[in-house]
Amino acid sequence: DIQMTQSPSSLSASVGDRVTITCRASQSISSYLNWYQQKPGKAPKLLIYVASSLQRGVPSRFSGSGSGTDFTLTISGLQPEDFASYFCQQSYSTPYTFGQGTKLEIK
Amino acid sequence: EVLLVESGGDLVQPGGSLRLSCAASGFTVSNNYMSWVRQAPGKGLEWVSVFYSGGSTYYADSVKGRFTISRDDSKNTLYLQMNSLRAEDTAVYYCARSIAAAPRMDVWGKGTTVTVSS
Repeated sequence: DIQMTQSPSSLSASVGDRVTITCRASQSISSYLNWYQQKPGKAPKLLIYVASSLQRGVPSRFSGSGSGTDFTLTISGLQPEDFASYFCQQSYSTPYTFGQGTKLEIK
Repeated sequence: EVLLVESGGDLVQPGGSLRLSCAASGFTVSNNYMSWVRQAPGKGLEWVSVFYSGGSTYYADSVKGRFTISRDDSKNTLYLQMNSLRAEDTAVYYCARSIAAAPRMDVWGKGTTVTVSS
């Protein structure tokens, strides 16, 4: 199985900051990497797919990059509604494993 | 409107069984990959199972041999039959639609809660 490792597990930032979350796969997954946002008590929401494609309706301050084993999610100009948990997920092969998550908190 | 609605979550004793349902509207289940994902209290997301549009099914090792994913095309509904339930199966269970090309879960239900406890 492919293991996904996210870092950091938690992050404090302020409105307007630029933050980066990283995700590393235990083997190459090409660009088959998705990013989700989840707020407490809610279902996850797709943000980025195939590493860098922005899901329709997601603000352009979210961006993704990477290929192979190393990936990043960047949020440029944090907004109050961005404070949430973020998860990466590989869709290269089953089981479609998730990273352990990054909780983004207000500083 | 594209919508997924899960149901069937309940309190069940260890060793018991439960069947979850996921009713879809606004799109055809059989034309898409459909997945179950769960989240234990205070924990991260765990992928559970997928039903490919062509009929193949796959499972996480943690549920293999105990859970069965199926669909009823006439009802446009996805199911998850869960047998031999354990305390560690306690979670919110989400169903999600996956786009087949470069799979990503773009539509999610609100989830249904399964609690395994005596």
